[in-house]
Amino acid sequence: DSGVTQTPKHLITATGQRVTLRCSPRSGDLSVYWYQQSLDQGLQFLIQYYNGEERAKGNILERFSAQQFPDLHSELNLSSLELGDSALYFCASSEGGGQSSTDTQYFGPGTRLTVL
Amino acid sequence: GEDVEQSLFLSVREGDSSVINCTYTDSSSTYLYWYKQEPGAGLQLLTYIFSNMDMKQDQRLTVLLNKKDKHLSLRIADTQTGDSAIYFCAETINYGQNFVFGPGTRLSVLP
Repeated sequence: DSGVTQTPKHLITATGQRVTLRCSPRSGDLSVYWYQQSLDQGLQFLIQYYNGEERAKGNILERFSAQQFPDLHSELNLSSLELGDSALYFCASSEGGGQSSTDTQYFGPGTRLTVL
Repeated sequence: GEDVEQSLFLSVREGDSSVINCTYTDSSSTYLYWYKQEPGAGLQLLTYIFSNMDMKQDQRLTVLLNKKDKHLSLRIADTQTGDSAIYFCAETINYGQNFVFGPGTRLSVLP
């Protein structure tokens, strides 16, 4: 158990809908990272938040957005969903926000999103 | 480019050693990581190595780093069926701003 929790575990929805995925980082971790894992694209970094502020952006679509709240939990919002958005969405957390051993990322169990 | 490369599949017999190889891209990467993903599960950090080290050993795991060739390997001694999983190598790029994963190597351990 990494200490990172994600809800829900599974989500099934229809095209055009909007969903929110939630992540709680390990106690003491200030950074939260979001990743998408799909069969054809592999593991793709989406976005990172550090202590409430956006820190780095990866291959995140404009239809997707995220935020980190004062209690450090984070939400990933996916809107106008398409079939191709079906994937595993992972959240990870780390203590720091840069390039040191404190920035080792610990992953949650993931949310499996199915868009029908 | 930003591609981290790994071979996609590896099969070994139980009890043999497994060697999973990775080529990374960013010479400024300070830490390089190995993660394990079992079926239906999240990514579990196995080990990481600091870029000024050549080798790190942790029980059955040995990580070798060749910084000149940007080559990282993970050796698993006495491979067991429980080691069957996908193994991802990862690097930080842009001075820690982004994390890039390889495509993963699927390790199958045959009895």
